[in-house]
Amino acid sequence: DVKVTQSSRYLVKRTGEKVFLECVQDMDHENMFWYRQDPGLGLRLIYFSYDVKMKEKGDIPEGYSVSREKKERFSLILESASTNQTSMYLCASSLYGGSGQETQYFGPGTRLLVL
Amino acid sequence: GNSVTQMEGPVTLSEEAFLTINCTYTATGYPSLFWYVQYPGEGLQLLLKATKADDKGSNKGFEATYRKETTSFHLEKGSVQVSDSAVYFCALSDKGSGTYKYIFGTGTRLKVLA
Repeated sequence: DVKVTQSSRYLVKRTGEKVFLECVQDMDHENMFWYRQDPGLGLRLIYFSYDVKMKEKGDIPEGYSVSREKKERFSLILESASTNQTSMYLCASSLYGGSGQETQYFGPGTRLLVL
Repeated sequence: GNSVTQMEGPVTLSEEAFLTINCTYTATGYPSLFWYVQYPGEGLQLLLKATKADDKGSNKGFEATYRKETTSFHLEKGSVQVSDSAVYFCALSDKGSGTYKYIFGTGTRLKVLA
């Protein structure tokens, strides 16, 4: 069974704080993704990575950065948290199949509140 | 660019009713199409997928057919159960640089009443 774990289920931070969200997968997947989920907007891709140390911007990368130093771990960093970054953050992973047919496996999500 | 449009919810049905959740897409090329489901308090999980035109994906009584002529991938189930209450997301694969990424619809919340 593929397992994607996220470091926290709930997080409360203050405006201006640096926030780290960690994601770990145990299936040796090449691809990893960070999304945010907001009511009425669905899932929006923040960043993704298809290899260690490789990263690509998604649709809404502003205010975020990522780090992938090891294959199994993909970190999302909010350099200076703002209230408009209050959201549910979902991490996902998939095999690098090169066909676009691959299933994404999601973690349970981290609900972040920025005060 | 590529996009996915889903019908807005919430959809409220009685147990054993027929379910349809509409999904249409805009894409260049021939993307794979997916339905994911999110149960309360959980992440998304794959429900079904179809990888080429006229393919039918099916799982747990749910079905969806890849219709290229109408650019649609509607989700159907003949008889819903209370346990089907969840949020359903339609998605397509999109060739980015380096690998494929995925574009999701806004999600449709389904509530099934006993």
